[in-house]
Amino acid sequence: EPEVTQTPSHQVTQMGQEVILRCVPISNHLYFYWYRQILGQKVEFLVSFYNNEISEKSEIFDDQFSVERPDGSNFTLKIRSTKLEDSAMYFCASSPSPRSYNEQFFGPGTRLTVL
Amino acid sequence: GEDVEQSLFLSVREGDSSVINCTYTDSSSTYLYWYKQEPGAGLQLLTYIFSNMDMKQDQRLTVLLNKKDKHLSLRIADTQTGDSAIYFCAESMGGGYQKVTFGTGTKLQVIP
Repeated sequence: EPEVTQTPSHQVTQMGQEVILRCVPISNHLYFYWYRQILGQKVEFLVSFYNNEISEKSEIFDDQFSVERPDGSNFTLKIRSTKLEDSAMYFCASSPSPRSYNEQFFGPGTRLTVL
Repeated sequence: GEDVEQSLFLSVREGDSSVINCTYTDSSSTYLYWYKQEPGAGLQLLTYIFSNMDMKQDQRLTVLLNKKDKHLSLRIADTQTGDSAIYFCAESMGGGYQKVTFGTGTKLQVIP
């Protein structure tokens, strides 16, 4: 069964460093998303992406964040200068088409630890 | 803004029914979802309900929606140890790329 994959599963970085989190969405999906979950808190929407541009973003998704679909298979989230408070689990998701109930298929997550 | 609240923990005995509750604030929510997360895995959509429905049943799962009170529940009949996971209530306005707003998740522990 096709699934969303994410790499790495765990990333440790120093504050101020740039990180790139990688996702491979399901191959025929058209909509892509990033969410994050700080330990003990809710899963929060960051950004949605369609047709090579951002469709919607939350207030969390500031200038330090960017997303890219560099080729036909990868979808990346870049954090330019990481802060301690960026430590969280980051989930990528994809959905096939604008079906009404919008089923999003999630990857297993990348745990980002900023020291 | 949208907010979704759940209790954090539920413990049940194998074979009993589990009921996980959720409240939400956004009256324009069109779709309400239950996601399941097993250890080391992503969020898996279990079921969803459209806001004009009161109930939806899918095998051992029953979803009840009280739109007036903005209350959603998930009942798992004959709970098994394999049902142990974190269950997330979520809502969205539906449509193509609309964001999904999640609750904190309820950790269900099934005692053999």
